[in-house]
Amino acid sequence: AQTVTQSQPEMSVQEAETVTLSCTYDTSESNYYLFWYKQPPSRQMILVIRQEAYKQQNATENRFSVNFQKAAKSFSLKISDSQLGDTAMYFCAFMKPTPNQAGTALIFGKGTTLSVSS
Amino acid sequence: DSGVTQTPKHLITATGQRVTLRCSPRSGDLSVYWYQQSLDQGLQFLIHYYNGEERAKGNILERFSAQQFPDLHSELNLSSLELGDSALYFCASTPARISYNEQFFGPGTRLTVL
Repeated sequence: AQTVTQSQPEMSVQEAETVTLSCTYDTSESNYYLFWYKQPPSRQMILVIRQEAYKQQNATENRFSVNFQKAAKSFSLKISDSQLGDTAMYFCAFMKPTPNQAGTALIFGKGTTLSVSS
Repeated sequence: DSGVTQTPKHLITATGQRVTLRCSPRSGDLSVYWYQQSLDQGLQFLIHYYNGEERAKGNILERFSAQQFPDLHSELNLSSLELGDSALYFCASTPARISYNEQFFGPGTRLTVL
């Protein structure tokens, strides 16, 4: 079974600084997808960034980028130029590839609460 | 707005009771997933339906059941409720497309069992 581990329950950063959230996972699959979701105080789950395991290039979305180390089974999220609106819980998630049109479920880590202060 | 709707937003009930949570997926999405978010268990997958059929089960208790109707909306039924069932329940939907990987989450239903 796949597992996802986020070892940092809480982190804090000042506005405009850079912060990195850690995530490791365990799987025997060779192809899979990895995600970072953001959950602000509103509780809405928002997709931040995704990475396909077969792609060597790290994904980037504006101020968000990942460091994907497949051999080490590590998938960290870097947030540059942190903003107050980045304050949220961040979840790392794993998904097995979809064998058909039905899809497969997400497996989440326990989350990291990030606080951005001015 | 993800396009996924969930009702009710909040639900307060007593131990031993039964409740039904409703989810309407995005227009055209055939897959619906239910997840539970609690303080002690984190975010965990409960059950997956595709086009009316159950496709996968996660850590779903026997007291819980779900179904997906012909119009594709889904309901999660929780019975003999216990204090520990208090949690935020999300549903998510995806289109029917091979290798499509994004799930769109609803706003959640917060269940409080007193």
